[in-house]
Amino acid sequence: DVKVTQSSRYLVKRTGEKVFLECVQDMDHENMFWYRQDPGLGLRLIYFSYDVKMKEKGDIPEGYSVSREKKERFSLILESASTNQTSMYLCASYSTGRVSGELFFGEGSRLTVL
Amino acid sequence: AQSVTQLGSHVSVSEGALVLLRCNYSSSVPPYLFWYVQYPNQGLQLLLKYTSAATLVKGINGFEAEFKKSETSFHLTKPSAHMSDAAEYFCAVSAPVGKFYFGSGTKLNVKP
Repeated sequence: DVKVTQSSRYLVKRTGEKVFLECVQDMDHENMFWYRQDPGLGLRLIYFSYDVKMKEKGDIPEGYSVSREKKERFSLILESASTNQTSMYLCASYSTGRVSGELFFGEGSRLTVL
Repeated sequence: AQSVTQLGSHVSVSEGALVLLRCNYSSSVPPYLFWYVQYPNQGLQLLLKYTSAATLVKGINGFEAEFKKSETSFHLTKPSAHMSDAAEYFCAVSAPVGKFYFGSGTKLNVKP
């Protein structure tokens, strides 16, 4: 059973803290994504990575950075958390080898910044 | 530029009634189209996808969607709603391949 695993389902952090959100996939997918989900706004792409150590900015990269040191792991970093980063964060992966392939999602990490 | 529009942020139906969730897309290239479902506090699960093999696509849990190129639509339907269908549904387009664009979502409420 294919799987995308996000390490933390629920986190509560304070303003200014550094936050790490970890994502691991076991499908040997080249591409990994971080989305942010807010009510009424759907999913917005923060960053994506199409290979190890490669990354591309998505639509809303400000305030975030990412790390991909191994193919299966993609981390989202909030250098200094702010209250407007309170949100649901979704990790996803995708195989380039499947032309009509879909995104596979993790369960999500709900972050609250106080 | 590619985009997806879902008409209706909230849809309410009675149990046993027809479910119709609307999705229109814009794409400059032939698209791949997807419907995802999200249950509370969970990630997104694939319901079905259109990959140009057939315009009427059947998915899980009795859902289906029809690709209509002339209308640039990919509406999701289910003949008879069940309480367990209550969730949020997202339409997405992948065009060019590998770049995914999502609609803003439609929350489906099913009344007993």
